Amino acid sequence: EVQLVESGGGLVQPGGSLRLSCAASGFTFSSYAMHWVRQAPGKGLEYVSAISSNGGSTYYANSVKGRFTISRDNSKNTLYLQMGSLRAEDMAVYYCARLGDSVEYFDYWGQGTLVTVSS
Amino acid sequence: SYVLTQPPSVSVAPGKTARITCGGNNIGSKSVHWYQQKPGQAPVLVIYYDSDRPSGIPERFSGSNSGNTATLTISRVEAGDEADYYCQVWDSSSDHPNWVFGGGTKLTVL
Repeated sequence: EVQLVESGGGLVQPGGSLRLSCAASGFTFSSYAMHWVRQAPGKGLEYVSAISSNGGSTYYANSVKGRFTISRDNSKNTLYLQMGSLRAEDMAVYYCARLGDSVEYFDYWGQGTLVTVSS
Repeated sequence: SYVLTQPPSVSVAPGKTARITCGGNNIGSKSVHWYQQKPGQAPVLVIYYDSDRPSGIPERFSGSNSGNTATLTISRVEAGDEADYYCQVWDSSSDHPNWVFGGGTKLTVL
């Protein structure tokens, strides 16, 4: 059974940093591209960042480019999101999601971790 | 960047058919994927590549895509179908790949 379990969320002050993790199991992690998708309170889904299966390619939404860094450790079956210079508008539930066999859609999602940005 | 437009809400009586639309410029030339999200839960893929259903998704869920509109159709609606539904496309037309979501539609079962 595919499982994605996020952790690392919490309360952080504006301008602060936080690192999210996503532990994967039930599939060959190193064979799949992975994503972070976020959802602000009461709002819709927003793509944040993506990383290829071997970590060689990364992509970012314009809203987080230069502030967030996605990475992965295939030996630990874990996806990361290093978030810096956090703003109020970054407050959201952050989901990790597996990209399906094509590059187009997300076939499995974690339960999410909440990031609260507030002083 | 590519924009997807969904109605904020759709209401339907139990047993009837719900249709949720997703509008985009020439969206028929792209593949559309649909997710269901119940309160407090993660999204679940219900339709991919316009009309394919993942295993475990009831046949009551179907999709179509043509012209400027894609549609998620839920037949014989049940109370348990009440949720937010999001359409999504992969946009490769910009300088880097982009995964675009619609704003979401809240399905209310009357």
